[in-house]
Amino acid sequence: DGGITQSPKYLFRKEGQNVTLSCEQNLNHDAMYWYRQDPGQGLRLIYYSQIVNDFQKGDIAEGYSVSREKKESFPLTVTSAQKNPTAFYLCAINGRFGGYTFGSGTRLTVV
Amino acid sequence: QKEVEQNSGPLSVPEGAIASLNCTYSDRGSQSFFWYRQYSGKSPELIMFIYSNGDKEDGRFTAQLNKASQYVSLLIRDSQPSDSATYLCAVNMDYGGSQGNLIFGKGTKLSVKP
Repeated sequence: DGGITQSPKYLFRKEGQNVTLSCEQNLNHDAMYWYRQDPGQGLRLIYYSQIVNDFQKGDIAEGYSVSREKKESFPLTVTSAQKNPTAFYLCAINGRFGGYTFGSGTRLTVV
Repeated sequence: QKEVEQNSGPLSVPEGAIASLNCTYSDRGSQSFFWYRQYSGKSPELIMFIYSNGDKEDGRFTAQLNKASQYVSLLIRDSQPSDSATYLCAVNMDYGGSQGNLIFGKGTKLSVKP
């Protein structure tokens, strides 16, 4: 995945539980992004960070939180406030030519 | 609200045919345009990008951009069953740089029949 690693691949969340998805990159990129993908909905931006210790809300930030304490890491927490968290979560960095390079994704399911 | 529109499909073509995938975008200030391929259960991978009006060819893929019509397309020649995937169109306000967020369409599902 070009130096961007997401874990775990599959994650199961119980009702009322917070879970954290990991995204790590070793390409020294400043910008990192979190997207959510639902069937038929395309990719929707949750949060992004252009620099360490700074991040911005995307279109669907409610029920999610992030941190950017290190350049290499941009973890996403899905909180209990997110009522419909079942989705495919994708982390991305700026790739060549202005596009993104995506991690392999985490599939989150509520049980 | 910046929007990128794609037909959801499925688009079905026979093996060896040309598949034509289309995308329109709402923001005239958009500068760079991308096509991603996403296999079922996998993450998107970049297959083409285009910045200037006209055609750009890479192997069996051709991206076409018409900024006046706010239209970008992807042609896949000699389609193969392995091309069966969802194709995402994405648009960026930033010209080939490292800033700016991509806006994605919902994707077109392509099915290539042997």
